[in-house]
Amino acid sequence: AQKVTQAQTEISVVEKEDVTLDCVYETRDTTYYLFWYKQPPSGELVFLIRRNSFDEQNEISGRYSWNFQKSTSSFNFTITASQVVDSAVYFCARGNEKLTFGTGTRLTIIP
Amino acid sequence: GAVVSQHPSRVICKSGTSVKIECRSLDFQATTMFWYRQFPKQSLMLMATSNEGSKATYEQGVEKDKFLINHASLTLSTLTVTSAHPEDSSFYICSARPHRGPYNEQFFGPGTRLTVL
Repeated sequence: AQKVTQAQTEISVVEKEDVTLDCVYETRDTTYYLFWYKQPPSGELVFLIRRNSFDEQNEISGRYSWNFQKSTSSFNFTITASQVVDSAVYFCARGNEKLTFGTGTRLTIIP
Repeated sequence: GAVVSQHPSRVICKSGTSVKIECRSLDFQATTMFWYRQFPKQSLMLMATSNEGSKATYEQGVEKDKFLINHASLTLSTLTVTSAHPEDSSFYICSARPHRGPYNEQFFGPGTRLTVL
């Protein structure tokens, strides 16, 4: 199976600190897509980003930024100036039609 | 746009009963819908892929007779957990892929929490 590994199971940071969530994936595909989702306590998945494997440009969206390194098969996610509302479980996923999810990182922002 | 609903959001049932969960794409047509299962504090695991008008494709290790999937229209897929037992208690999430749009685009429903007593 082509795994998606999120080595950090739980992270706690104090509000306003920056935090980076790591994601490493395996793939045999030439073309693939990478995703990040947020799952707050309500359980509903919130889509954050989709990235094509051919597009290695880093992306910034407000306080969120993503670093895609194809050479190391990593797709890391950074939250700048964290807020309490960022507390959630974050999932990285890889796939084309079918998605393989990582095990998730539980992020707690301490006020 | 691109809203997916699930019903019910929460269900508690007795062991041995069957439970049906509905997944609807509210403002788009979905050729393909996916069903995932999530145990507490764990990841989402794909159970099956459901294509409108054809039989679902189940992932390895998922019992097709236990988890019956029907995708009768372009906006509705149902998952029936037959003869549910406590070990079937889980959070079930569906997603829908629009009929028109990138083939890897999925919109997720809010999930259904099943508790089997």
